[in-house]
Amino acid sequence: AQTVTQSQPEMSVQEAETVTLSCTYDTSENNYYLFWYKQPPSRQMILVIRQEAYKQQNATENRFSVNFQKAAKSFSLKISDSQLGDTAMYFCAFMKHNNNDMRFGAGTRLTVKP
Amino acid sequence: NAGVTQTPKFQVLKTGQSMTLQCAQDMNHNSMYWYRQDPGMGLRLIYYSASEGTTDKGEVPNGYNVSRLNKREFSLRLESAAPSQTSVYFCESRDYEQYFGPGTRLTVT
Repeated sequence: AQTVTQSQPEMSVQEAETVTLSCTYDTSENNYYLFWYKQPPSRQMILVIRQEAYKQQNATENRFSVNFQKAAKSFSLKISDSQLGDTAMYFCAFMKHNNNDMRFGAGTRLTVKP
Repeated sequence: NAGVTQTPKFQVLKTGQSMTLQCAQDMNHNSMYWYRQDPGMGLRLIYYSASEGTTDKGEVPNGYNVSRLNKREFSLRLESAAPSQTSVYFCESRDYEQYFGPGTRLTVT
């Protein structure tokens, strides 16, 4: 079974600074997808960024970028120019290609301080 | 375009009672999913429906049943609620894009 580990239960960052959230995963698969989701206090799950394992280029969405290290099975999220609205729980998730079972990490609670 | 809707938003049940959580999507997606989220944990898949007329178990299916009523609707039923089923339940609708509903907070006393 695939497992996803987020080793940082809580993190904080000053507004406008950069923060990196860690995620590691365990799989024997070669084709898969990785995701970062944001869950603000409203509970809504919002997709932040998605990475296909076959793509070597790291995905980027505006202020959000990932560092995907396939050999190390590492998938970290970097948030640049942090904003107060980035305060939320962040979940890393893994899904095998052509499979419906998405596995989530336990989450990292990020607080952006003014 | 409402996306994914879930009803109810909140529910309190007594042990042994039954209820159905409803999920509907208006994006014409084939795949729909039910998850539960417990404190300090990520979402865990209960059941999913890859297409209309099919359903399959996920990671934590015990104590639940599902029905894919049509392409739009996917319901989750608790036949005899237990305190261990106290959780927040999320529905997801997916093709290439993924959309989650707002969640249902269920408390079983």
